[in-house]
Amino acid sequence: NAGVTQTPKFQVLKTGQSMTLQCAQDMNHEYMSWYRQDPGMGLRLIHYSVGAGITDQGEVPNGYNVSRSTTEDFPLRLLSAAPSQTSVYFCASSYSSLDNYGYTFGSGTRLTVV
Amino acid sequence: GNSVTQMEGPVTLSEEAFLTINCTYTATGYPSLFWYVQYPGEGLQLLLKATKADDKGSNKGFEATYRKETTSFHLEKGSVQVSDSAVYFCALSERDGGATNKLIFGTGTLLAVQP
Repeated sequence: NAGVTQTPKFQVLKTGQSMTLQCAQDMNHEYMSWYRQDPGMGLRLIHYSVGAGITDQGEVPNGYNVSRSTTEDFPLRLLSAAPSQTSVYFCASSYSSLDNYGYTFGSGTRLTVV
Repeated sequence: GNSVTQMEGPVTLSEEAFLTINCTYTATGYPSLFWYVQYPGEGLQLLLKATKADDKGSNKGFEATYRKETTSFHLEKGSVQVSDSAVYFCALSERDGGATNKLIFGTGTLLAVQP
């Protein structure tokens, strides 16, 4: 099994550009989330989904959109990139019960906005 | 809201030293608690977990006990190795609308083990 696959691994954007970070999992997990990791701030939740067609906002959703048209895929869209969105982005997935399983994480996308 | 507080790093130890990384939490209800580890350039990996009070999670020589009375989940290892050098994150599960659908993370603690 590939687990959670994120692409690209690295990306440089200019301010104002848009792009989509891809996330796919092959474990038939219902729950998927996007986090951003910044120095001294740990991981902060951007958006999450508890199943296909269902998404909700996390702690820092502004400037990002998500959709969940299939169980496998959960893309994160940056609408108009800003330098404040320079970060490492992690996608994660889980069986329905986070209490028992926690999340499985992808290897991350390092994004730089100039 | 719910939150996790970890000790500031970096923590620098010599090989075979005893490790403690403190973690305390604030939460409503009875969350599950987790420790994740992140090696350089990689994503987070689940290290251990505990789902109820007094449970002890353990893996690869690491242990942590869910202490409801002190709202703590400290990570310990009796003898660290250079290969344990990584960032360690404490996390709790959060229930929203009846379902446990979020993990809340601490800021992470960098551990550096010297030979």
